[in-house]
Amino acid sequence: AQSVTQPDIHITVSEGASLELRCNYSYGATPYLFWYVQSPGQGLQLLLKYFSGDTLVQGIKGFEAEFKRSQSSFNLRKPSVHWSDAAEYFCAVGALNFGNEKLTFGTGTRLTIIP
Amino acid sequence: GAVVSQHPSRVICKSGTSVKIECRSLDFQATTMFWYRQFPKQSLMLMATSNEGSKATYEQGVEKDKFLINHASLTLSTLTVTSAHPEDSSFYICSASLDRAYEQYFGPGTRLTVT
Repeated sequence: AQSVTQPDIHITVSEGASLELRCNYSYGATPYLFWYVQSPGQGLQLLLKYFSGDTLVQGIKGFEAEFKRSQSSFNLRKPSVHWSDAAEYFCAVGALNFGNEKLTFGTGTRLTIIP
Repeated sequence: GAVVSQHPSRVICKSGTSVKIECRSLDFQATTMFWYRQFPKQSLMLMATSNEGSKATYEQGVEKDKFLINHASLTLSTLTVTSAHPEDSSFYICSASLDRAYEQYFGPGTRLTVT
């Protein structure tokens, strides 16, 4: 079965600094990979996704992620964070599980932005 | 486009009563809808997958008789928590997919508190 690991539970970054959130996955085939953001008490918003092709994926709000098959990683990056980026970030892998397509989420990384 | 709503956003009910949560896809017809549960500061756990007009597929460990899911139309799915207990208190999130089950659009969530 597929799994997703987000090693960092909580990250604090200064406003304007660069950001990288780590995500590692485990799946036997080429996975579909996603990054979602969740503000407190809200649902999830899709930031970006990787299905195939170019391994560097651009998303909304200035985010990008790079799929590295050799490292089983799909890290999320942003060159300069804004205070509004403070939220919970979830990496997810889409895979077939007993014939059903489903998403498996990592445990999330909480991002705090300091002035 | 691809907006999913949930109602209510918050609900408080007494132990032993039942509560219904609605999930609607507002601007598209969803072939599949998903129900997730999220505990505080934790990830999303898939509870069940439902297709319009057919029985829901529940994840292992989810009580079918306690969490009743109805997917009566392509735009509406409901989750009924029957005989609710305080341990059922949680944040419930639904999502809907148009085509591929990997591409899910999430609702804003419903905060259930059982007293």
